[in-house]
Amino acid sequence: EAGVAQSPRYKIIEKRQSVAFWCNPISGHATLYWYQQILGQGPKLLIQFQNNGVVDDSQLPKDRFSAERLKGVDSTLKIQPAKLEDSAVYLCASGRVGEQYFGPGTRLTVT
Amino acid sequence: DAKTTQPPSMDCAEGRAANLPCNHSTISGNEYVYWYRQIHSQGPQYIIHGLKNNETNEMASLIITEDRKSSTLILPHATLRDTAVYYCIVRPTTSGTYKYIFGTGTRLKVLA
Repeated sequence: EAGVAQSPRYKIIEKRQSVAFWCNPISGHATLYWYQQILGQGPKLLIQFQNNGVVDDSQLPKDRFSAERLKGVDSTLKIQPAKLEDSAVYLCASGRVGEQYFGPGTRLTVT
Repeated sequence: DAKTTQPPSMDCAEGRAANLPCNHSTISGNEYVYWYRQIHSQGPQYIIHGLKNNETNEMASLIITEDRKSSTLILPHATLRDTAVYYCIVRPTTSGTYKYIFGTGTRLKVLA
């Protein structure tokens, strides 16, 4: 089966600009996750969707980050405006029960 | 905060068994132990999970102590492609969120 798809793979922006990431989960997976992974650290959960509803967004910086899941399938994560400390890899994962399948991630560099 | 503690790095000779320890002394009875690994520039990849009993699959074996306070992931014949960061995670069996909290993992380097 096809894996989790993410785009773009790399993005470089200046601080205060906005950016959006796209994720297409594995077909049939109701749960979708966005993680932020800063260099040298493990992934940190930003938001979790169950179908198109938000289950957990306690670690999402809501003043600048937003996410949506369209019709319970694809999802977008947006940052507006970006800060230098947002430089990281943004990982999308999907799953059914327990296991999570991760995409390759989007590497964001904020200059 | 992560509920697991792992050594930051380990080396292993190619062809030998790699034994990666994990401490989860505060684990509760309804929490699974999961192992993932992350190869450079890729997303984490599921390896194995267990609750009480030891588990084995085509990738690895998982040994969980009787008191469940620690576990060991065993890669029986490590290859250069096993060089990666390995994460040990505990996750509730009953939570609807299946939330993972990653620590900093163990960076395993397999040496030729």
